[in-house]
Amino acid sequence: AQSVTQLDSHVSVSEGTPVLLRCNYSSSYSPSLFWYVQHPNKGLQLLLKYTSAATLVKGINGFEAEFKKSETSFHLTKPSAHMSDAAEYFCVVSDGPGTYKYIFGTGTRLKVLA
Amino acid sequence: GAVVSQHPSWVICKSGTSVKIECRSLDFQATTMFWYRQFPKQSLMLMATSNEGSKATYEQGVEKDKFLINHASLTLSTLTVTSAHPEDSSFYICSAIAGQGGVSGRAHEQYFGPGTRLTVT
Repeated sequence: AQSVTQLDSHVSVSEGTPVLLRCNYSSSYSPSLFWYVQHPNKGLQLLLKYTSAATLVKGINGFEAEFKKSETSFHLTKPSAHMSDAAEYFCVVSDGPGTYKYIFGTGTRLKVLA
Repeated sequence: GAVVSQHPSWVICKSGTSVKIECRSLDFQATTMFWYRQFPKQSLMLMATSNEGSKATYEQGVEKDKFLINHASLTLSTLTVTSAHPEDSSFYICSAIAGQGGVSGRAHEQYFGPGTRLTVT
């Protein structure tokens, strides 16, 4: 069965410093992986996705993630945090080819300090 | 492209009444839609998968008689919470999948609606 583990429930960074949100996955096949962001009382916005093309994926708002099969990781990074990045971030793995279902991680709340 | 809307965005209802939430794909045909619920400060929990023209498939532990799902067309799915109780208060989010190649050739990606906040008093 597929699963994702977000290693940190809360991350705090100062504005202008790098962001690292960690995600490990488990999959019995070649997975599709996604990062979504959710601002308070809002829906989900796709930041980026990996679907077996380039292992370094660039997304919106300066975010990127690297798929590392040997480490079963898909960590999200950003060189310089902005106050508007404060939100909840979800790492997601597809549940398998043909099912289209998503498996959500438990989320990481990012706090950006002025 | 790939916009999903939900209506209403928030609703307050009295205990014992029923409430219907609509999920629409605005610029593509959705062969499959998903319904999630999210409790405060928690992750999304998949409730059910609905395919156009067929019965929804519910996840384990979700009461199908309480959460009625209808996917009557390729652009509309509805979730009806019947005989709502305060413990049903939650944020309900739908998502939709286009048919293969339906949205700029991107098959199987889920597009999420903005969510519906349900409060049962």
